[in-house]
Parts: sequence; C-alpha cells; structure tokens
Amino acid sequence: RKEVEQDPGPFNVPEGATVAFNCTYSNSASQSFFWYRQDCRKEPKLLMSVYSSGNEDGRFTAQLNRASQYISLLIRDSKLSDSATYLCVVNGRDTDKLIFGTGTRLQVFP
Amino acid sequence: DVKVTQSSRYLVKRTGEKVFLECVQDMDHENMFWYRQDPGLGLRLIYFSYDVKMKEKGDIPEGYSVSREKKERFSLILESASTNQTSMYLCASSLVSAGHETQYFGPGTRLLVL
Repeated sequence: RKEVEQDPGPFNVPEGATVAFNCTYSNSASQSFFWYRQDCRKEPKLLMSVYSSGNEDGRFTAQLNRASQYISLLIRDSKLSDSATYLCVVNGRDTDKLIFGTGTRLQVFP
Repeated sequence: DVKVTQSSRYLVKRTGEKVFLECVQDMDHENMFWYRQDPGLGLRLIYFSYDVKMKEKGDIPEGYSVSREKKERFSLILESASTNQTSMYLCASSLVSAGHETQYFGPGTRLLVL
C-alpha cells in the first residue's frame, strides 16, 4: 500500500463548479498535512497546510479526518487558473521527511 | 520571498558521464533536499541535509551522492549517469524540521541521459 494515495484524475469541471479531492495516508502517527499545487512543468508550491479542525483560505477548504486517515481539499467557484495538479503531502514514519502523493489533476474549462 | 535556484533547467548527458546538479537557496534555511519526479511515481526523496557537511539518504539514494560544503548550496552528483536516471530533479529547502515546515522548491532540472 502506498503511504499517500490520491485519485490521479483528471477532474474536468466547468468554471464556477465546486470540486473536491480526497487523499488517504497510511501512517497513523503522521502529524503534518499539506496540499501543494503544481502547474504543468513547474515546481510544487504550498497551497495550504491542513489543520485538525479544518481550515479555509478563500475558495479553498481543507479537512482532516484522523480516524479514517484522509485529508480533503474543496475548491469552490473554480477558476480557469485553478487548473493544475494538486499534491497531497504528509510527514512520513521518519517524521522529518515529507511523503508526496502522485497528485490529482484538475482541468477547469470555460 | 524565498528563492531556490537550480543551475540548469535542461540537461542532456550521455551514459557514463558524471553529472553535477547545483542548488542554491537564499533564505538561510537549515534543511535542503533533492527529489526526482517521474510520471505515476510522484516525488521521491534522494538525499537530504540538515546542516553543512551533513547528509542523509532518502528513499532512492543508489547511483547518487551529494555535497553540502556551504549552508546555501546543496549539490547532487550522478557518479555515472544511466538512462534510468532521466527524470525531473527538484531541489527544496526548509527552515527547520521538514515534517513541520513548508518546503520551498527550485524550478527543477530536466535531465535526459542518452
């Protein structure tokens, strides 16, 4: 079983739609959770950290479910500029390292 | 703004060549990392370093070595390049413990080994 698993997509949604991605992780001791965004042929960049109580940043909402070991990302009112690959990131068994999921690709169309 | 730079965006090398990939960060970060990214496999950690002259193996260190002689610079060395090392190489840095701090990435080096 992979340490971090994501649906690769692609998710094709129209502008203005709401879309959600889930990610599962295998290490129940993980303490740090993040969503990174990676544009085509570019480097990953932090989108948001994920906190236990859930957190929101504008149109983006992140949730953590420790019991089921998954995190989610909700994007409301999708924009064309949201088209990218979203990487789920969790700290691993060696807690000083980050484990990256393979990413979920989102394509927003007009 | 944190800036992580990598010496080349694109490299083409021949099998057996020694390859040097350089990474420099300008934010006085303690930690630096080298990853490779391949389709369907995501980012995989090759080596990382918590301090000058210190290095730790990541998940896939075979065929690679690293050097950190100065805090701001972390080099990845392919001792004898092979075709299966064709990949996108990403350098990253973070201020403190990687598990709890954001990693900032360089723009990546696309390496093709012929």
